[in-house]
Amino acid sequence: QQPVQSPQAVILREGEDAVINCSSSKALYSVHWYRQKHGEAPVFLMILLKGGEQKGHDKISASFNEKKQQSSLYLTASQLSYSGTYFCGTDYQGAQKLVFGQGTRLTINP
Amino acid sequence: DAGVIQSPRHEVTEMGQEVTLRCKPISGHDYLFWYRQTMMRGLELLIYFNNNVPIDDSGMPEDRFSAKMPNASFSTLKIQPSEPRDSAVYFCASTTMTKGIQYFGAGTRLSVL
Repeated sequence: QQPVQSPQAVILREGEDAVINCSSSKALYSVHWYRQKHGEAPVFLMILLKGGEQKGHDKISASFNEKKQQSSLYLTASQLSYSGTYFCGTDYQGAQKLVFGQGTRLTINP
Repeated sequence: DAGVIQSPRHEVTEMGQEVTLRCKPISGHDYLFWYRQTMMRGLELLIYFNNNVPIDDSGMPEDRFSAKMPNASFSTLKIQPSEPRDSAVYFCASTTMTKGIQYFGAGTRLSVL
């Protein structure tokens, strides 16, 4: 039931783009994306709802493919501040209960 | 707003001792979640409350763990007796039905020796 994230880790140079994927074997109601920096709490990035549009702000955006039960997070022109571990959280019932993936560690080097 | 407040930030205890973790959700939020994070198991939901009522405790690992929410502004997670395998970071989060965004507290790092 835990969603599967890929890749598990990625290393980029500042300014490069990254895509993080989140796949579920069950039908999804919504997908939430969070970023966690080392030693800190997860911080909300965005929610994608079933039937909703692609979301984004600044250079981070995400999509939700209901047919494939997948969501992708896009980071363009990455900045050093984007480093951290990204988690997708899946909601199967619209009941606020999230199941988090194992995380994708993103490292941005100068 | 002060955000979700957890205490203590760090707890070191010996095996067999009782541990109590505390959480104050954001005012006005009607959902409260307790998570545990370890390297091996990732971020796991232990239990969550809606309007102070436990809705789903299927993630609570065993009877040694218990959680309460006596009022809208306070919740506790208790481990009795504690074991070394309980060592983890425990997060509390809160949200509202309309927002859906979960706001996490800073966490409590628990070490059981």
